[in-house]
Amino acid sequence: AQKITQTQPGMFVQEKEAVTLDCTYDTSDPSYGLFWYKQPSSGEMIFLIYQGSYDQQNATEGRYSLNFQKARKSANLVISASQLGDSAMYFCAMREGLGNAGKSTFGDGTTLTVKP
Amino acid sequence: ETGVTQTPRHLVMGMTNKKSLKCEQHLGHNAMYWYKQSAKKPLELMFVYNFKEQTENNSVPSRFSPECPNSSHLFLHLHTLQPEDSALYLCASTASSGSLDTQYFGPGTRLTVL
Repeated sequence: AQKITQTQPGMFVQEKEAVTLDCTYDTSDPSYGLFWYKQPSSGEMIFLIYQGSYDQQNATEGRYSLNFQKARKSANLVISASQLGDSAMYFCAMREGLGNAGKSTFGDGTTLTVKP
Repeated sequence: ETGVTQTPRHLVMGMTNKKSLKCEQHLGHNAMYWYKQSAKKPLELMFVYNFKEQTENNSVPSRFSPECPNSSHLFLHLHTLQPEDSALYLCASTASSGSLDTQYFGPGTRLTVL
């Protein structure tokens, strides 16, 4: 089974609207971290936001927030007030368990297109 | 320089060439990673180094040879590559490999093998 599932290959959003990018994960480890990265066409993977498995509150970073539903094993990224510069590929990733040799598992990504 | 840097940004090489990719991190981290990102494929972990020691080799062909002389520098030596090796090669670093710390990535080297 895939550890990280992003079911939306492509998403469109109108400028200034909010958009939710889905991510579900699978792990039996009680200690894990969830990450979202943005990859514009230039190729660089830009870290956006982090949620720890023990965090009680949903993470927020500016216009980015993570809707963490632990029981459902979902970690959706919400981008508010979309901007044209938000058009990019977005990856959800997970790191499991302390001492797990540094492995991160990445989803297949969602291509977001912001329309003017 | 800040963050993670990679050189060159673009590389075109023939199958008989030998070239090297360089990664440098200025974050004081101790773990460094090489990833391969092919078109229409998920990110593939290639190698992990923690405190200069290789801790992970994800069944990578021997035509890719990593080198980590210190915690700040990571190289990927390439020789007799195949056209299917054309991809974006990303370097990343974390404080240490056995933690849940954020991985910070470099801008990548876009490699084309002719």
